[in-house]
Order: sequence, then C-alpha cells, then structure tokens
Amino acid sequence: EAGVTQFPSHSVIEKGQTVTLRCDPISGHDNLYWYRRVMGKEIKFLLHFVKESKQDESGMPNNRFLAERTGGTYSTLKVQPAELEDSGVYFCASSQVQPARAGELFFGEGSRLTVL
Amino acid sequence: SQQGEEDPQALSIQEGENATMNCSYKTSINNLQWYRQNSGRGLVHLILIRSNEREKHSGRLRVTLDTSKKSSSLLITASRAADTASYFCATPAQKLVFGQGTRLTINP
Repeated sequence: EAGVTQFPSHSVIEKGQTVTLRCDPISGHDNLYWYRRVMGKEIKFLLHFVKESKQDESGMPNNRFLAERTGGTYSTLKVQPAELEDSGVYFCASSQVQPARAGELFFGEGSRLTVL
Repeated sequence: SQQGEEDPQALSIQEGENATMNCSYKTSINNLQWYRQNSGRGLVHLILIRSNEREKHSGRLRVTLDTSKKSSSLLITASRAADTASYFCATPAQKLVFGQGTRLTINP
C-alpha cells in the first residue's frame, strides 16, 4: 500500500513567486494534516482537513497560504506570494483515526521550500 | 497549549550505550506519541502510550509516562548508528502538537 506522497520534494523560488505543494494521503484516510518545520525548530501545525472540509486552520500563518482538498482526496498548499520566512520543510500527514482517539499520523517525506 | 517539550535538545553518545530523552507537556492527555525523523526524511511513528499506562516497550524502545508530572521519557537501549535522528514527542487533541525535538547522534 502506498504511503503519503508529497510533491515536489524540493522547491527553490524567489521572493514574491508562487509555489504549490501537493500531498496525496493514504487511500481511505479522511484526516489530512499539514505541518511545517522551519530552521530545525519545532514542528508546527498548519491545518487539518476531514475529507474536504477544513476542520482546523488555526495554524495557518497568514492569508498568503491557501490549502485545498477538493473531493476529499489529495490536498494542495499554495503560498502566494512567498516570503523569505516561508522557507522550511512542509510535511503532510494522514490518519484514519484522529490522534485524540489514539490514532497515529502517517507522514510524507516532506517538501523542502527555499525562498531566496 | 499541549505542546510537548523535549529535553535535552541534543544528545551525543557512543554506539551501544543507552539514550534517554524526556518530554514534558502542559495539559491533560489521553495518549502521548513519540516520532522519529531521520535527516531529510518524514516522521515515523515509534510508539503510543495511553494515559492509563505507565510503561510500554517496543523492541529496544521503552517509554514511560507520568501523568502526575506531565512527563514522558523515551529510552533507546543498545543504540546503533541508525538511531541517529531527531525524536519528537507529540500530544494529541484533534491534531498532534509537537515539540522542538531531541537531536540524537550515535557515534561509532
């Protein structure tokens, strides 16, 4: 069974440009999460989808970030326009059961974003 | 918040030694999870301990949980070079909240 896949694995863009990250969760997992790790710091929550609905987007930094999950399958995270502080590794994770009910998250390999 | 905070931030030991990492959290939980991230890779779930458990084992891993102190520890016995990674504890609400992690280096 395929795990969580993310694309691209690495993106280098200039400040002001747009980048779209994609995540394909494990098939059948209704819960999809985006996290970010900046400069070796803590892994910060961005948002949580249940199927196609945004359950919690409290971690989204600002309105330059837009996440979608059309049809409740794959998700995209768009950064427009990108700023230097957006550099980091963006992780996607999926789960069948939410962590509060003792569900574990299955993570992708991450998309490393470098903004110059 | 339920943020997990790992201690120490970095740990370097010789291969074959045991490594202990600690985690503190702030609010009530019903479980606590440990994850590992190898350099440049995604996070991998290691072990979950429920709030009514005090200790759990999985291979060379031993996790303890003290809900009265709001703390957990992860012990890796007989460490190997392949254990070099960052280790995170995570506490769940509807989402998992991670700390900054402990960077473990195993020296051959």
